[in-house]
Amino acid sequence: KNQVEQSPQSLIILEGKNCTLQCNYTVSPFSNLRWYKQDTGRGPVSLTIMTFSENTKSNGRYTATLDADTKQSSLHITASQLSDSASYICVVGDSTSGTYKYIFGTGTRLKVLA
Amino acid sequence: GAGVSQTPSNKVTEKGKYVELRCDPISGHTALYWYRQSLGQGPEFLIYFQGTGAADDSGLPNDRFFAVRPEGSVSTLKIQRTERGDSAVYLCASSLKVSGRDEQFFGPGTRLTVL
Repeated sequence: KNQVEQSPQSLIILEGKNCTLQCNYTVSPFSNLRWYKQDTGRGPVSLTIMTFSENTKSNGRYTATLDADTKQSSLHITASQLSDSASYICVVGDSTSGTYKYIFGTGTRLKVLA
Repeated sequence: GAGVSQTPSNKVTEKGKYVELRCDPISGHTALYWYRQSLGQGPEFLIYFQGTGAADDSGLPNDRFFAVRPEGSVSTLKIQRTERGDSAVYLCASSLKVSGRDEQFFGPGTRLTVL
C-alpha cells in the first residue's frame, strides 16, 4: 500500500530557531514530492515541488530535500517566525499508468512560540 | 477569479439527506481535484478531472459519492444518503494542467457535518 509517513506529529519551537520535518514514503512509481503549509481552517498552500531528479528546492526560509533512493524527504525551516505555526504536509505523486494521484501524509503540526 | 472558491463554507445536514458541494476553480485550469480531510489527518484523494472527464475516480469511497464537471470549469461533488462518517472538510484544488510539476491551488474547503 502506498503510504506517506511524517515525523514528528507535532513540534513546538521558539521564534528564531530552526527546525526540520521528516517525510518517508513508499509510493511507487514516484512522480514528484510536494510540501504544503496548511493554516487552521484553510486549504493547503504549496511550498515546494520536486521531481525524482531534484534533491533540493528552496522557497525563502523553507528548504526541502529529497533522497529518492531511500524515499525520504525533509523540510527545513530557518529562523522560524510566529506565522510559521501551521501544519506541514508532505505529498507524494503517484504516476501509475499516466494518472496523477496525490497521496498526503498526516502532517506535522508546528507551533512557534514568542 | 483570484483563487479557488468553494461553496458553501459550512454545511450541516441530517443522516440520509443529499448534499451538493460546489467548486469554482481558477479560470483556465484544466485539472480539478477533490479531496476529503478528516480532523487531524491529511487530505485523502477522491477524484480528479482533466477537462470535463473524470480521469481517476478511484478515491471515491462508494457509489453514494459522485462528482461532475459538465463544462470543464465548475465542479459539483454530490453525496447521496449521507452518513455520519461522511463528516469532514471537502477540499477542491485546481491546476493549470495535469503534470508532475504543476502546482495545485486549494480552495478553503467545505466543512460538512452530518448529524
